[in-house]
Amino acid sequence: AQSVTQPDIHITVSEGASLELRCNYSYGATPYLFWYVQSPGQGLQLLLKYFSGDTLVQGIKGFEAEFKRSQSSFNLRKPSVHWSDAAEYFCAVEANAGKSTFGDGTTLTVKP
Amino acid sequence: DGGITQSPKYLFRKEGQNVTLSCEQNLNHDAMYWYRQDPGQGLRLIYYSQIVNDFQKGDIAEGYSVSREKKESFPLTVTSAQKNPTAFYLCASSPYTLDVRSSYTFGSGTRLTVV
Repeated sequence: AQSVTQPDIHITVSEGASLELRCNYSYGATPYLFWYVQSPGQGLQLLLKYFSGDTLVQGIKGFEAEFKRSQSSFNLRKPSVHWSDAAEYFCAVEANAGKSTFGDGTTLTVKP
Repeated sequence: DGGITQSPKYLFRKEGQNVTLSCEQNLNHDAMYWYRQDPGQGLRLIYYSQIVNDFQKGDIAEGYSVSREKKESFPLTVTSAQKNPTAFYLCASSPYTLDVRSSYTFGSGTRLTVV
């Protein structure tokens, strides 16, 4: 069965600093990968997705992610974090029948 | 604008009661999903449906039931058999078919509390 690991439960960065959130997946074939963002008490919003092709994908709000098959990773990056980026971030993999498996999430705190 | 509507936003349940959470979408999506979210545990799949009048159990279906009588609607009933129902419930949809993969569109959630 597929699984997703987000090793960092909580990350704190200063506003304007760069950000990298880690995601590792376990799946035998080519996965379909997603990053979602959740503000407190709200649903999840799609940031970006990887289905095939270019391994560096661009998303909304200035985020990007790189798929590395050899490392089974799909890390999320942003060159300069804004205070409004503070939220919880979820990595997900869709492996079969349209069902996505989610990681446990990483909470991002942004210091002024 | 198209989207998913979950209601109510907050719900309180007494011990032994069944409660039903509503999920309606106007995106013309075929697939709909229910996830449960607990602090520190991410999202866990309860039930999903890929076509009207058909649905499948997810990873934590015990104590829950669903129906899919219309394409637009996928209500979730939390029964008295669910021993720990206090959680945040999220409904999602996608235009999933065997040939087309897509991301989910989520509703804004229902927070259920047992009192």
